[in-house]
Amino acid sequence: DIQMTQSPSSLSASVGDRVTVTCRASQGISTFLSWYQQKPGKAPKLLIYAASRLQSGVPSRFSGSGSGTHFTLTIGSLQPEDSAIYYCQQSYSFLSFGGGTKVEIK
Amino acid sequence: QVQLVQSGAEMKKPGSSVRVSCKASGGPFINYAISWVRQAPGQGLEWMGGIIPLFGTADYAQRFQDRVTITADKSTSTAHMELSSLQSDDTAVYFCARASEGCSGGNCYQTHFDSWGQGTLITVSS
Repeated sequence: DIQMTQSPSSLSASVGDRVTVTCRASQGISTFLSWYQQKPGKAPKLLIYAASRLQSGVPSRFSGSGSGTHFTLTIGSLQPEDSAIYYCQQSYSFLSFGGGTKVEIK
Repeated sequence: QVQLVQSGAEMKKPGSSVRVSCKASGGPFINYAISWVRQAPGQGLEWMGGIIPLFGTADYAQRFQDRVTITADKSTSTAHMELSSLQSDDTAVYFCARASEGCSGGNCYQTHFDSWGQGTLITVSS
């Protein structure tokens, strides 16, 4: 099984800050990497797929990069509505998720 | 965009089984991978397995291999997930999700999942 490790597990930042979340895969997964946002009581929402492609309707302040084993999700200018938990997910070999990063607004 | 509507919350006794349904509407079903993902209270997301209705065979995460059965009814565009030998640590919200791209062969899970059900809370308690 492919293990996905996210860091940090939580962060607190101010509105307007640039925020970066990292995800590492236990083996190379090319760009079979997606990022999801989850708010309390809701299903996950797809933000980024194929490591760097922005899902339709997602604000352009969200971006993704990486390939192989190292990936990042960046929120270019943090907004109050971005308070959520963010998960990475590989689909190179079936599916597995990272442990999540809780993003809070200061 | 396809909508996925799941069956309602259930309370189960330890040792019993539960079956959760996921009905798709407003979009294609049979050649799209359907995955089941669960989330224990306060915990992260965990893939349990999935199915491509067109082919009918399911794939399972190793830790659930012995206890989960995933099926799909093409006539009603509904996927089902049955989990047996329930224990208290199976208390979780169970989600179904549909792939954003159809598949005609190969690795149908090498895609992303843009449509999710609302989740079904399964509580296991004596």
